[in-house]
Amino acid sequence: QKEVEQDPGPLSVPEGAIVSLNCTYSNSAFQYFMWYRQYSRKGPELLMYTYSSGNKEDGRFTAQVDKSSKYISLFIRDSQPSDSATYLCALDNYGQNFVFGPGTRLSVLP
Amino acid sequence: GAGVSQTPSNKVTEKGKYVELRCDPISGHTALYWYRQSLGQGPEFLIYFQGTGAADDSGLPNDRFFAVRPEGSVSTLKIQRTERGDSAVYLCASSFQGLGTGELFFGEGSRLTVL
Repeated sequence: QKEVEQDPGPLSVPEGAIVSLNCTYSNSAFQYFMWYRQYSRKGPELLMYTYSSGNKEDGRFTAQVDKSSKYISLFIRDSQPSDSATYLCALDNYGQNFVFGPGTRLSVLP
Repeated sequence: GAGVSQTPSNKVTEKGKYVELRCDPISGHTALYWYRQSLGQGPEFLIYFQGTGAADDSGLPNDRFFAVRPEGSVSTLKIQRTERGDSAVYLCASSFQGLGTGELFFGEGSRLTVL
């Protein structure tokens, strides 16, 4: 079993839709949970960062962590064509290194 | 610029050759990471520096891979006797403090193609 699993997509949605992106992980030692966005031929950039279970909201983005289920989600409201990118979840086991999921490729169609 | 700078952006080499990839992190960032990303995959950890020392090199796939950061700033990833399977985008990232702080700032990567 891989440490972090993510549906690779591609996921295509119409503009304005609510998007749900998910990751599952196997190691309960992970303490920090992040979502990165990566445009084609660019480096990943941080979108959201959470430490505890629960929800964290930032504009159109909401990150949700359920440590008991080892499940994290990113919701995008009112999706825009500019949101078209690959979304990577990343987990940090404090004291070791960041582990990334394989990414979900999202296309938001105008 | 103020971001992480990586050179070269593209490198094509022949099997068996030696390659160096350079990373110039954000000024003042003590932590520096190298990741490798294959097509359709997430970044795969290679090595992490805190200052000049390699705090974790457990991701280096074999002894053909080596990285240095002699003055605690610029880092060089060195690959000896390249193989076709080494073809990937090599990403460098830096962070102000390192682990547990959440944000890695990535460069745009060096795309390595081994023919």
